[in-house]
Amino acid sequence: EVVLTQSPGTLSLSPGERATLSCRASQSVANSDFAWYQQKPGQAPRLLIYGASSRATGIPDRFSGSGSGTDFTLTISRLEPEDFAVYYCQQYGGSPPSIFGQGTKLEL
Amino acid sequence: QLRESGPGLVKPSETLSLTCTVSGASMSSFFWSWIRQPPGKAPEWIGYVSDTGRTTYNPSLNSRVTISIDTSTNQFSLKLASVTAADTAVYYCARGNGFNHYWGQGTLVTVSS
Repeated sequence: EVVLTQSPGTLSLSPGERATLSCRASQSVANSDFAWYQQKPGQAPRLLIYGASSRATGIPDRFSGSGSGTDFTLTISRLEPEDFAVYYCQQYGGSPPSIFGQGTKLEL
Repeated sequence: QLRESGPGLVKPSETLSLTCTVSGASMSSFFWSWIRQPPGKAPEWIGYVSDTGRTTYNPSLNSRVTISIDTSTNQFSLKLASVTAADTAVYYCARGNGFNHYWGQGTLVTVSS
């Protein structure tokens, strides 16, 4: 079974800075079937990126995804106050069909 | 919109039962998922059902999970048998069998006597 490892566990930055979050899969991900979510306390996860690099509807262009194979990255080009949250990566389409990483907390 | 409903407290060894009501869209041509998130932990995919009733479950839960769908009432359901404290989590319903764009707000289910 694929294991997704996110790094760092916690990232401390300030508004206006650039954030780079990483997710490494223990096996190669087929077809770039990879997504990123943002979750704030008491809320459901919010889809940011799917297909490794496609932004979901309504997601600002400061969020971008990249990567293939086993290494994927979520970049937030210029942090806004509302971006401080927990971020999860997800591999889908494999076996099992959906796996989440353990999360990266982006804190102020 | 998706909205979960069901008991917030279930006793150990009993069966957890939740329903997701879908509004504002047809259930046809989509897959529908259940995902749970223990307090302070990452989400865990439970399984999904197609609009025709075909199911796929997480192997780690496979023997205890049943997901069903009733497109006439725009609902799909989750049953998880023989629950323990480890099944305490926020349970979400969502649309899709891969990435999930639309989620319910989630419902906390606590397993305790």
